[in-house]
Amino acid sequence: QVQLQESGPGLVRPSGTLSLTCAVFGDSITSNNWWNWVRQPPGKGLEWIGETHHRGNTNYNPSLKSRVSISVDKSKNQFSLRLSSVTAADTAVYFCARDHQYGESTWAFDIWGQGTMVTVSS
Amino acid sequence: EIVLTQSPGTLSLSPGERVTLSCRASQSVASSYLAWYQQKPDQAPRLLIYGASSRATGIPDRFSGSGSGTDFTLTISRLEPEDFAVYYCHHCDSSLWTFGQGTKVEI
Repeated sequence: QVQLQESGPGLVRPSGTLSLTCAVFGDSITSNNWWNWVRQPPGKGLEWIGETHHRGNTNYNPSLKSRVSISVDKSKNQFSLRLSSVTAADTAVYFCARDHQYGESTWAFDIWGQGTMVTVSS
Repeated sequence: EIVLTQSPGTLSLSPGERVTLSCRASQSVASSYLAWYQQKPDQAPRLLIYGASSRATGIPDRFSGSGSGTDFTLTISRLEPEDFAVYYCHHCDSSLWTFGQGTKVEI
């Protein structure tokens, strides 16, 4: 059974850098999946942040691209998110998710972490 | 950038009713990348439908998806108490994923 588990500070100071890690259990980070971050501000909808593949490819939401970095740590079977220059608008629940290939050109986020709340405040 | 617009924003229904949720794309999109998720309060989203019409593992057959081009639909044939939740459509175009704003199905 594949599971994802987010971890990281629950409080980040304004203008600081948000750093989260997603540990992968029951699957290899080097499998043919993409590894994603999604966030959800309190009471609002889902926003895709970006994704990475173990080969080093990344794709980011254009609205966040200048501040985001997502990377893979093969030795620890995990991937990470860094979001710089944070403001109160970055306060949200952050989810990691696996983007799984079901068939040729058929992909979807089949496994999600439970989410971790990050508050940006001084 | 493709925008997904879901309607209605909120549906007030009773158990046993049939419900149809709409997801409209701002331009024609590939059905293979269209998915639907269910999210309950304080939980992570759960994949219901991928490829516009295929049920994910363990999803009851009262859930079905259809559509192509710009118009996609999630249908719940008969609402169960556990189906009251928020539903999101989701799509990928040119390696960029987008979510609809969600439809809340409430009692």
